[in-house]
Amino acid sequence: QKEVEQDPGPLSVPEGAIVSLNCTYSNSAFQYFMWYRQYSRKGPELLMYTYSSGNKEDGRFTAQVDKSSKYISLFIRDSQPSDSATYLCAMSAEDSNYQLIWGAGTKLIIKP
Amino acid sequence: KAGVTQTPRYLIKTRGQQVTLSCSPISGHRSVSWYQQTPGQGLQFLFEYFSETQRNKGNFPGRFSGRQFSNSRSEMNVSTLELGDSALYLCASSFSGQYGYTFGSGTRLTVV
Repeated sequence: QKEVEQDPGPLSVPEGAIVSLNCTYSNSAFQYFMWYRQYSRKGPELLMYTYSSGNKEDGRFTAQVDKSSKYISLFIRDSQPSDSATYLCAMSAEDSNYQLIWGAGTKLIIKP
Repeated sequence: KAGVTQTPRYLIKTRGQQVTLSCSPISGHRSVSWYQQTPGQGLQFLFEYFSETQRNKGNFPGRFSGRQFSNSRSEMNVSTLELGDSALYLCASSFSGQYGYTFGSGTRLTVV
């Protein structure tokens, strides 16, 4: 079993829909949680960063961390075709020198 | 503010040769990580350097090596190239690691 599980998709939704992307993990030591967005042939771009449990909002994006369930989510409101990309979750812990452990990435397609 | 710069952007090498890739991190960032990304395997962690010392290491053979200089610039070397080494090699930098990493655009290596 992988430390971080993420459904690779693809996930196809119509423009304007609310998108929910999720990851589960097994290591309870993880404290730092991130979401990255990667467009084709580009490097990943840090979208959201959360420390420990709770919610964080940035424009149309909301990140949620539930440490009790070992479950993190990224919500995208009013989705746009430009949001079509691969979304990767990543997480780390201090006791492993903050080495990022990655999900496989979910390919998201927003249909106009 | 300059981002993470990787050179060269594209490289074609012959099986058996060696290659050196370069990464200039964001000014002030002390941590540099290297990743291999392929369509089949996703994002695979190679190693991380922090203040010139290797802090974390992934599960790659000894043909893959790296180093970091006193100005935080980093190089990655692959010796005795194999066809399976064809991939996008990504460099990412961070001040200390726990707040996420900024990625470069990558070097696309093709081994023929």
